[in-house]
Amino acid sequence: QQQVKQSPQSLIVQKGGISIINCAYENTAFDYFPWYQQFPGKGPALLIAIRPDVSEKKEGRFTISFNKSAKQFSLHIMDSQPGDSATYFCAAMHQGGKLIFGQGTELSVKP
Amino acid sequence: NAGVTQTPKFQVLKTGQSMTLQCAQDMNHEYMSWYRQDPGMGLRLIHYSVGAGITDQGEVPNGYNVSRSTTEDFPLRLLSAAPSQTSVYFCASSYGGSRTGELFFGEGSRLTVL
Repeated sequence: QQQVKQSPQSLIVQKGGISIINCAYENTAFDYFPWYQQFPGKGPALLIAIRPDVSEKKEGRFTISFNKSAKQFSLHIMDSQPGDSATYFCAAMHQGGKLIFGQGTELSVKP
Repeated sequence: NAGVTQTPKFQVLKTGQSMTLQCAQDMNHEYMSWYRQDPGMGLRLIHYSVGAGITDQGEVPNGYNVSRSTTEDFPLRLLSAAPSQTSVYFCASSYGGSRTGELFFGEGSRLTVL
């Protein structure tokens, strides 16, 4: 079964708009929640991450919101730019070190 | 600084053939892993290793074999290729059993099984 569920599968946003991607998880043993960004033909790269002891983390235009009781977390991209067009993956990590990914969201930012 | 290097970048196999995808990292990372990426399925963990001599199964291990004889190398072997193994494969590594969380990925190996 999919331990980390991500939505939407694809997203189109106008330049300057807000992109929002959501993830939900089942396993309460997860203790680290990163987001990865992947450009075509490249491997994913870490964008931003959060631990469950905080409800929000912001780095520049990127913000993670975390709701521990609902077992949900989301990525917000403010002032979205065409250069943000990529595939985004949420993920969750066990204490044992395994990183489990969501299904991915293909973001397209239109100029 | 090369980071994580995967070879080959592209490979075409016939059903039943075997092959090895190579992965090497030069960051002295303890943790290494293999993922496959398929449309709509995200990245699924195949096998991982927390150090030389130690490997374990991920979400989708069937049909794949790994070993970790050195810190630097973590090859993935396809024992008898099947069309369902057509995918893009990524090797990734991180520090100290991945407690820091950041995985460094290679650029991928695209495999087609006919």
